[in-house]
Amino acid sequence: DAGVIQSPRHEVTEMGQEVTLRCKPISGHDYLFWYRQTMMRGLELLIYFNNNVPIDDSGMPEDRFSAKMPNASFSTLKIQPSEPRDSAVYFCASSLRQGGSTQYFGPGTRLTVL
Amino acid sequence: GQNIDQPTEMTATEGAIVQINCTYQTSGFNGLFWYQQHAGEAPTFLSYNVLDGLEEKGRFSSFLSRSKGYSYLLLKELQMKDSASYLCAVRDPNDYKLSFGAGTTVTVRA
Repeated sequence: DAGVIQSPRHEVTEMGQEVTLRCKPISGHDYLFWYRQTMMRGLELLIYFNNNVPIDDSGMPEDRFSAKMPNASFSTLKIQPSEPRDSAVYFCASSLRQGGSTQYFGPGTRLTVL
Repeated sequence: GQNIDQPTEMTATEGAIVQINCTYQTSGFNGLFWYQQHAGEAPTFLSYNVLDGLEEKGRFSSFLSRSKGYSYLLLKELQMKDSASYLCAVRDPNDYKLSFGAGTTVTVRA
């Protein structure tokens, strides 16, 4: 089975540009999580969805960040406008409600904002 | 909120055993996870503890004491490929959020 799929794997953009990161969760998983990882702050939860509905977006840094999940197999994280401090690796993860609800991570998108 | 502490770095020799400790102070608890993350890659699931005691999976074992707010990950018969960061994460009892520790970088030397 395919794991969590993210695109692009690498993104280099200039300050002020819009950035859109994409995620396809594991089929059948009903939870989707967006994380950001930096050396300084570690792995931080930005937002998560249950059955395509945003449940907690308290980790979203500011209004420049937005996330959507239009259907069970696709989510986007958008940054507009982007700033150099947004440079990080962004991970998407998905899980099932049952059992231990283990989160499975995608390969991540390495974002560099110049 | 969650406060999760683990050592920053550990070094061990190939074939040896290393124990990575994790302590947590949380407003609630609903399970503790360990993840492995190689440099430049995504975290991958290693183990899950929700009840006190030891869970063994091959060369890796994880222990939990809820009363002490303490867990450890035990890596036996270390191999070079075990060089990675190991992340401790606690799940919130009210939802499915995970709070991660900063990670412990383990370096295995020949």
